[in-house]
Amino acid sequence: EVQLLESGGGWVQPGGSLRLSCAASGFTFKAYAMSWVRQSPGKGLEWVSGISGSGGSTYYADSLRGRCAISRDNSKNTLFLQMNSLRPEDTAVYFCAKDEVHSPPTFLDHWGQGILVTVSS
Amino acid sequence: QLVLSQAPSASASQGASVKLTCTLSSGHSTYAIAWHQQQPEKGPRYLMKINSDGSHTKGDGIPDRFSGSSSGAERYLTISSLQSEDEADYYCQTWGTGFAVFGGGTQLTVL
Repeated sequence: EVQLLESGGGWVQPGGSLRLSCAASGFTFKAYAMSWVRQSPGKGLEWVSGISGSGGSTYYADSLRGRCAISRDNSKNTLFLQMNSLRPEDTAVYFCAKDEVHSPPTFLDHWGQGILVTVSS
Repeated sequence: QLVLSQAPSASASQGASVKLTCTLSSGHSTYAIAWHQQQPEKGPRYLMKINSDGSHTKGDGIPDRFSGSSSGAERYLTISSLQSEDEADYYCQTWGTGFAVFGGGTQLTVL
């Protein structure tokens, strides 16, 4: 059974940084692209960033480009999202999601439960 | 510009059927899309992928009550024999060149 478990969320002041992690199990992690998707309170889903199975290709939404970095450690079956210069509008639940292929990211076929990030002074 | 359009809300009675629509923007009518369900206070769940020819592949454990189809730039999700647990937000999703796109979501109410 595919399982994705996010961690690392919490409260951070504007301008601060946060590193999210997603521990994956139940599938061959390195064989699949992964993505981060967020959902602001009361809003819809917004794709944030994606990474190929090997980690060699990364993709970013314009809203966070330059302020975040996606990476993965295939030896530890873990996905990361480093977020910097955080703004109040980055407040959201962040979901980790598995893709159906190795590269490039296409369709997300499994999701984590999400982790809340709150940016506030 | 790649955009997915969805009606903000829909409703149908328990036991009935409902058809939700996701419309691809001009010039993108051949794109496949995926449907995701998000029940209240839960993470999304992948339902299925629908190709432009209407063929579709479902996610793990998705009941037969959920089916997909396609016509031109429109992709459909049909839910039959509606149950109370089908009350949820439904999002369509696709992939452009280097980015993923979600529709705004349709909030389905089961009466």
